[in-house]
Amino acid sequence: SQTIHQWPATLVQPVGSPLSLECTVEGTSNPNLYWYRQAAGRGLQLLFYSVGIGQISSEVPQNLSASRPQDRQFILSSKKLLLSDSGFYLCAWSVTGELFFGEGSRLTVL
Amino acid sequence: QKEVEQDPGPLSVPEGAIVSLNCTYSNSAFQYFMWYRQYSRKGPELLMYTYSSGNKEDGRFTAQVDKSSKYISLFIRDSQPSDSATYLCAMSAGGTSYGKLTFGQGTILTVHP
Repeated sequence: SQTIHQWPATLVQPVGSPLSLECTVEGTSNPNLYWYRQAAGRGLQLLFYSVGIGQISSEVPQNLSASRPQDRQFILSSKKLLLSDSGFYLCAWSVTGELFFGEGSRLTVL
Repeated sequence: QKEVEQDPGPLSVPEGAIVSLNCTYSNSAFQYFMWYRQYSRKGPELLMYTYSSGNKEDGRFTAQVDKSSKYISLFIRDSQPSDSATYLCAMSAGGTSYGKLTFGQGTILTVHP
């Protein structure tokens, strides 16, 4: 069966520090991969998606970037965090249309 | 106007009640409709996935889509305390956009014993 792993689960970072969140999917090949963000009291917002290695599409202009170095690995990064980057970051995968989420990474920027 | 509107609640019901959760949307291109359940501090879990208008049943859950009214619903029968969570509706246009979901704000549900 397919599983998705995200880490770290929780992190607290100072403003201006870098960020790296990682996501890996097991049990499937060539999935579409997604990064969503859920801010407090708001719905989920799509940040990036990828249909293959090295292929990244950005949905909203922001302080973040994404990379896909391997078929089942998706990374969310920032060079300098802003207070507004705080939130719950969710990686997701899809092959047949249904979207499955990981457990999320909760980021607090102070 | 948001593309997807969902009453955030909170909704509180006694155990055993029938729960009705609803979303409206404005984008006629939406073809695929989903309901997710999210427990506190966890990732969303896919409950129901439907295409086009009609009903789909899975155990105690029934998803209903009315494309003519741009209205979707999730019914939970015989609700249990373990159903207490935030329920998110989501939808997409499908095709190359099938994983690019537009979400409602979520409805907070509490089922009390």
